[in-house]
Amino acid sequence: DSGVTQTPKHLITATGQRVTLRCSPRSGDLSVYWYQQSLDQGLQFLIQYYNGEERAKGNILERFSAQQFPDLHSELNLSSLELGDSALYFCASSPGTGSYEQYFGPGTRLTVT
Amino acid sequence: AQSVTQLGSHVSVSEGALVLLRCNYSSSVPPYLFWYVQYPNQGLQLLLKYTTGATLVKGINGFEAEFKKSETSFHLTKPSAHMSDAAEYFCAVIRHTGNQFYFGTGTSLTVIP
Repeated sequence: DSGVTQTPKHLITATGQRVTLRCSPRSGDLSVYWYQQSLDQGLQFLIQYYNGEERAKGNILERFSAQQFPDLHSELNLSSLELGDSALYFCASSPGTGSYEQYFGPGTRLTVT
Repeated sequence: AQSVTQLGSHVSVSEGALVLLRCNYSSSVPPYLFWYVQYPNQGLQLLLKYTTGATLVKGINGFEAEFKKSETSFHLTKPSAHMSDAAEYFCAVIRHTGNQFYFGTGTSLTVIP
């Protein structure tokens, strides 16, 4: 158990819909990262937040957005969903200063039908 | 720009045989290097990391990796494979000054009884 929690574990929704994925980092970690894992794209970095502020952006679509709240939990919002958005979405956290290893949550499996 | 190459998307070894999973990075400055393991339907778990110091790094579950600057490599080894080692293995790099992980495409390890 990494200490990172993600909800929900599974999510099934229809095209065009909007969903929110939630992540709680390990206690004391200030950085949260979001990743998308799919068979054709592999593990892709989406976005990073550090202590509430966006720190780095990767291959995140404009239909996707994220935020980190004062209690350090983070949410990833996916809108206008397409079939190709079906994937595993991972959250990871790290202390953020001087420590670079990331600790991954169990993931949310999103299925868009 | 950072990139990571994992040679061999699938590796099969017999139980008790040596495990060797290859990872090469491209970077003008040696980055920090990591190996993660992903068991089916689970998140990624940190196996080991190299930041500074001794180039031979020992991790969990009997795995180790050696940073070779001259070869820009960070190959993962284990002297004797166990059935429980069957999983997907990811190599990742991060710059000293950055926060973004770059993951390899992964190597699926099969252990044959």
